[in-house]
Amino acid sequence: EAQVTQNPRYLITVTGKKLTVTCSQNMNHEYMSWYRQDPGLGLRQIYYSMNVEVTDKGDVPEGYKVSRKEKRNFPLILESPSPNQTSLYFCASSLIQVSPLHFGNGTRLTVT
Amino acid sequence: KQEVTQIPAALSVPEGENLVLNCSFTDSAIYNLQWFRQDPGKGLTSLLLIQSSQREQTSGRLNASLDKSSGRSTLYIAASQPGDSATYLCAVSGMVIGNQFYFGTGTSLTVIP
Repeated sequence: EAQVTQNPRYLITVTGKKLTVTCSQNMNHEYMSWYRQDPGLGLRQIYYSMNVEVTDKGDVPEGYKVSRKEKRNFPLILESPSPNQTSLYFCASSLIQVSPLHFGNGTRLTVT
Repeated sequence: KQEVTQIPAALSVPEGENLVLNCSFTDSAIYNLQWFRQDPGKGLTSLLLIQSSQREQTSGRLNASLDKSSGRSTLYIAASQPGDSATYLCAVSGMVIGNQFYFGTGTSLTVIP
């Protein structure tokens, strides 16, 4: 089944403890991206990647890192999480940047 | 910076009614516009994608239109059903390759049986 898989679905952590949210797609998509969704603010793009080893900042990249070493994987790294990064995170992919986006089921992160 | 607005924030209609959801954007230099559906606890599902050169797209009971010059799109849902209850979001993609996607905050639709 064609899908975007994010792990974990739920994560509670403490301030400053490094964490990684994984994202994998099995559709051979070139374009992948990360979003956070907050009440009243909608989805905001954190980082995106046009292809392997090509990444760029979105609207809210501060406090996040990404890497794209393989086409199928696009992990989101929080080196030193803070409470203002408590949010619902989504990974998405598309064949190319202007194709329909396919979303994962989300990761709800709580930083205390 | 692109701003995307969806009004109303919430909408409640009786089953069987036809309805229109609205999306407006401030910068008409877009590659495409997508409509998504989001169910509670789940990710977004792409419903329709309209390229900037197109005026509308249809899929089943859904029809999306795009008026780029006025910065507006509508999603028309015919003969609504309780299963259509969800949050509907629109997103625009900028003209520059590699540019960002900008999302509206969505319209929460409830279809009452």
